[in-house]
Amino acid sequence: AQSVSQHNHHVILSEAASLELGCNYSYGGTVNLFWYVQYPGQHLQLLLKYFSGDPLVKGIKGFEAEFIKSKFSFNLRKPSVQWSDTAEYFCAVIAGNTGKLIFGQGTTLQVKP
Amino acid sequence: GAVVSQHPSWVICKSGTSVKIECRSLDFQATTMFWYRQFPKQSLMLMATSNEGSKATYEQGVEKDKFLINHASLTLSTLTVTSAHPEDSSFYICSARPHLRQGEQFFGPGTRLTVL
Repeated sequence: AQSVSQHNHHVILSEAASLELGCNYSYGGTVNLFWYVQYPGQHLQLLLKYFSGDPLVKGIKGFEAEFIKSKFSFNLRKPSVQWSDTAEYFCAVIAGNTGKLIFGQGTTLQVKP
Repeated sequence: GAVVSQHPSWVICKSGTSVKIECRSLDFQATTMFWYRQFPKQSLMLMATSNEGSKATYEQGVEKDKFLINHASLTLSTLTVTSAHPEDSSFYICSARPHLRQGEQFFGPGTRLTVL
């Protein structure tokens, strides 16, 4: 079965530090890849997505992610985090034509002011 | 655009009662809606896929007779938790996929269900 693994469960950073959150998936075929963010008390919002083309995708709020097919990875990055980035981050994958989003376990990011 | 609402946002009920949760796409049509369950500090788990005008497809381990899903129109899907028990207490989230747009889903704000 397809699965998504996020290696960092809880990350604590100071403001202006760089961020990289790991995401790996298990599926050998075509994938659509997503990163969602859930701010405290709010609903899931799409940060960025990859369907095809340039493997380096840029999203909202200065986030970007790189799809490395050979590594089955889709890591999320941000060069300089802000206190307002404190949230839960979820990597998600749609494998093939299933249309179903499979979520990773989530990473809690805490940014200290 | 692409707003999804859920009602109610929270509900408390007694064990044995049934609870209905509505999911609406406010500004687009959604032939497909999804229902997820999220436990505290955990990820979202897909419960079922709801297609307008047809029966929902349930994920393995999800009781279809307990979690009744109806997708009667292109903008509304409902999840009814029948004979709720305390272990059904959870955060239920729906998402909607715009018609003819593969892949992308838009999420509702979720419904917190507490069964006493």
